[in-house]
Amino acid sequence: QVQLQESGPGLVKPSQTLSLTCTVSGGSIGSGRYYWNWIRQPAGKGLEWIGRIYTSGTSHYNPSLRSRATISLDTLKNLFSLNMTSVTAADTAIYYCATYCPPGVCPGSYDAFDIWGQGTKVTVSS
Amino acid sequence: ELVLTQSPGTLSLSPGERATLSCRVSQRVSSSYLAWYQQKPGQAPRLLIYGASSRAAGIPDRFSGSGSGTDFTLTISRLEPEDFAVYYCQHLGTSLMYTFGQGTKLEIK
Repeated sequence: QVQLQESGPGLVKPSQTLSLTCTVSGGSIGSGRYYWNWIRQPAGKGLEWIGRIYTSGTSHYNPSLRSRATISLDTLKNLFSLNMTSVTAADTAIYYCATYCPPGVCPGSYDAFDIWGQGTKVTVSS
Repeated sequence: ELVLTQSPGTLSLSPGERATLSCRVSQRVSSSYLAWYQQKPGQAPRLLIYGASSRAAGIPDRFSGSGSGTDFTLTISRLEPEDFAVYYCQHLGTSLMYTFGQGTKLEIK
């Protein structure tokens, strides 16, 4: 069973780049089976999908992030990463990685995020 | 842009009662990609329902989902103390964008 673990600095200064990693265990990130996602949640607020990447490297993003977000894969280290540039206090949130394998690829699976990391808190402050 | 609107914002009920949560979508969508999640304080969301009406593995049968088109519902038939949490609907798929509703908080009355 695939498991996810987020990591990264808990504090980032305004205007700098936020960099987080999601380490994958129990499965290969290069298997071509999963969509790898980042989601965030400001304190006391709802969930916001940031973007996703597939094994091929194809990625899609939430337009609201205005191209500040980039998701990449590291198949050697079996992890995927999020970089977000020009951060402000509005980017303060818990950041989650999540994944799923579509039923067309993994029979019996779901078109929904059934695997989540525990989340990592990021504060943007000087 | 797809918008998912959940109602009510907060629902106050007692254990043993029935809970009905609504998710209205701004345009017709495929029910195949409509999911519901439960989130408790300090925890990541947990998948409850996928494909609008199918329970994920290990989810008790007191949780059920229904709906199609633009209107979807999550029903908890008989509330247990551990069911008080925040619930989110989500749609995966339109324009390669995954959208969440703003959430419904289910609190103990």
